[in-house]
Amino acid sequence: DQQVKQNSPSLSVQEGRISILNCDYTNSMFDYFLWYKKYPAEGPTFLISISSIKDKNEDGRFTVFLNKSAKHLSLHIVPSQPGDSAVYFCAASAGNNDMRFGAGTRLTVKP
Amino acid sequence: KAGVTQTPRYLIKTRGQQVTLSCSPISGHRSVSWYQQTPGQGLQFLFEYFSETQRNKGNFPGRFSGRQFSNSRSEMNVSTLELGDSALYLCASSEEANYGYTFGSGTRLTVV
Repeated sequence: DQQVKQNSPSLSVQEGRISILNCDYTNSMFDYFLWYKKYPAEGPTFLISISSIKDKNEDGRFTVFLNKSAKHLSLHIVPSQPGDSAVYFCAASAGNNDMRFGAGTRLTVKP
Repeated sequence: KAGVTQTPRYLIKTRGQQVTLSCSPISGHRSVSWYQQTPGQGLQFLFEYFSETQRNKGNFPGRFSGRQFSNSRSEMNVSTLELGDSALYLCASSEEANYGYTFGSGTRLTVV
């Protein structure tokens, strides 16, 4: 059951512009959301998270927005850099239950 | 199409035992990756297989091993289990590495 969906398998942006990665979920019980970043030949690494009591969390160039009514979250990267080129996973969990992952979006930032 | 199937869903083992977990990828997917998920450490990469070859390996001790069969099904084995091995073990498959992953529901391993 695909409770977490990343409908764009890939995204290409120009260096310096904004990258927006989207994620939709179906389970209204999800209360904690994370983004992971994965480079080729490496495992995913944690990037940024947000709990359902917030609608925005910012960490440097990375900002995650949560729209609970739409069951939608997005990751904004501003400005995008070539080193940001990677696969980005969205993940969600409800309480202490297991986390559910999206399929990932491959971001390519062109110089 | 059927998703990624991991068996068993739940497992309880005692310290010192060994365990084998199974992952059946989506038909046509040749890449299978394994991850350990714990509340404290989050998601950690174990290893990745592609066409029966281990391509990448995370920073886990040699007690953790895996293999992939010709039908792309994969197994991971943990020997001499320790309490700290209790975790959710996730498998993900994709047609090619680094693109379009589908995660299984995981195997919840509890070591007592």
